[in-house]
Amino acid sequence: AQSVTQLGSHVSVSEGALVLLRCNYSSSVPPYLFWYVQYPNQGLQLLLKYTTGATLVKGINGFEAEFKKSETSFHLTKPSAHMSDAAEYFCAVGQGGKLIFGQGTELSVKP
Amino acid sequence: EPEVTQTPSHQVTQMGQEVILRCVPISNHLYFYWYRQILGQKVEFLVSFYNNEISEKSEIFDDQFSVERPDGSNFTLKIRSTKLEDSAMYFCARTSGGTIQETQYFGPGTRLLVL
Repeated sequence: AQSVTQLGSHVSVSEGALVLLRCNYSSSVPPYLFWYVQYPNQGLQLLLKYTTGATLVKGINGFEAEFKKSETSFHLTKPSAHMSDAAEYFCAVGQGGKLIFGQGTELSVKP
Repeated sequence: EPEVTQTPSHQVTQMGQEVILRCVPISNHLYFYWYRQILGQKVEFLVSFYNNEISEKSEIFDDQFSVERPDGSNFTLKIRSTKLEDSAMYFCARTSGGTIQETQYFGPGTRLLVL
C-alpha cells in the first residue's frame, strides 16, 4: 500500500525566502503524486500533480515540485515566499481511485 | 473548474444522533468521494461513489456510515448514532472521470462536532 510522509509539521520562512516543503512516498507501482493547499476555513485546492512525463511539474502561484524516483521524493518549492502563501500544504499519492495524504505541513511566512 | 459546495458548513450534534452531510456538485459529475480530517490528523479517505454505487470504502467506513445520491444531484453522507470520535472536518470531492490521474476537486468541508 502507498503511504506519504511529510517532514516537518511546521515550516516558517521569511517573506522573499525560498520555500521547501518535503514529501516522501512509498509506492510499489509508478506513483501519481499531488500537492494540495488549504487556506483557513477553505477546502483543499490542487497546487500541482505528477502523473507521467516531465518530472519537474509547475503549478499555480509559482510553486513547482520535482518527482525523484531514486529518492522517492516529491518536494514542493517556491523561489520567493509571499505572505499569501501562509497555509497548510498536503502531499498525496494516488492509490486506485483515492488519495492517500500526508500529515500536512503548516507554512508560516514572516514579514 | 468549480468546486463542489457542501452543507452545512458547521454542525453540532449530540452523541447518538444521526447527521446528514450534503455535497452539491456544480455540474453533473459521476464520481464522488468523502474524506475526513480529525483535528491535527491526516486527511483520510472514507468512500468513493460512482454511478449510484459505492466503488471503494475504507475500513473507517463501517455500518455507521452510508452514502447515497437520493435525488440525482445531492450526494449525502449519513452518520448514524454519532460518537465523540466522529468529530472532524468532512470533505466531499468529485472528479470528471474515475481514474486517479483525474484531479479531485474538494468542497470547503463540513465541520462536525459531536458532544
